[in-house]
Amino acid sequence: DADVTQTPRNRITKTGKRIMLECSQTKGHDRMYWYRQDPGLGLRLIYYSFDVKDINKGEISDGYSVSRQAQAKFSLSLESAIPNQTALYFCATSGTSGMEQYFGPGTRLTVT
Amino acid sequence: AQSVAQPEDQVNVAEGNPLTVKCTYSVSGNPYLFWYVQYPNRGLQFLLKYITGDNLVKGSYGFEAEFNKSQTSFHLKKPSALVSDSALYFCAVRDTGRRALTFGSGTRLQVQP
Repeated sequence: DADVTQTPRNRITKTGKRIMLECSQTKGHDRMYWYRQDPGLGLRLIYYSFDVKDINKGEISDGYSVSRQAQAKFSLSLESAIPNQTALYFCATSGTSGMEQYFGPGTRLTVT
Repeated sequence: AQSVAQPEDQVNVAEGNPLTVKCTYSVSGNPYLFWYVQYPNRGLQFLLKYITGDNLVKGSYGFEAEFNKSQTSFHLKKPSALVSDSALYFCAVRDTGRRALTFGSGTRLQVQP
């Protein structure tokens, strides 16, 4: 969905490196989310933000941090990457009702 | 806690036949239920949702889903499958008191010509 963009789309990094994944949206939504997708595990919520000052941990936040720089931007950081953080990462947005979510195209991250 | 189970990793169906992708859920209150589809190298796309009202919900691309409260199920259905329906399907749930969705593990639908 072109309304939600993620950069980079692919990234290979080494263990111990700091990496930032960025998400931008033009839908005007207040709510933004970061998920990771692993085969057989579905999507698991890392962090979510309901506005610039409202940031919450999801079910798997350890090893990750986030920054909501503006309504339209929500970044995910891995402070010290480890191999089991190799996954597909998705950003999503939703309106105030929190019902229908709109997903970005994903970032494929490989930690060697 | 809320949870979702998709008991089938993969569903195979012939083109033109009806398809069903199963989902069961567990929530402490009234559920909000969703189906999303993921095509290769793409993000998830919303298909349909159940909030309240009619137990049969119609969504995009001819899909529908039936909410069954007694069986805590929300199965996705389509009367006649297309090869282009082949994708990964996710069920998700949220109860009225929580702030985020919980997704199932996904079911891969393969429609054979």
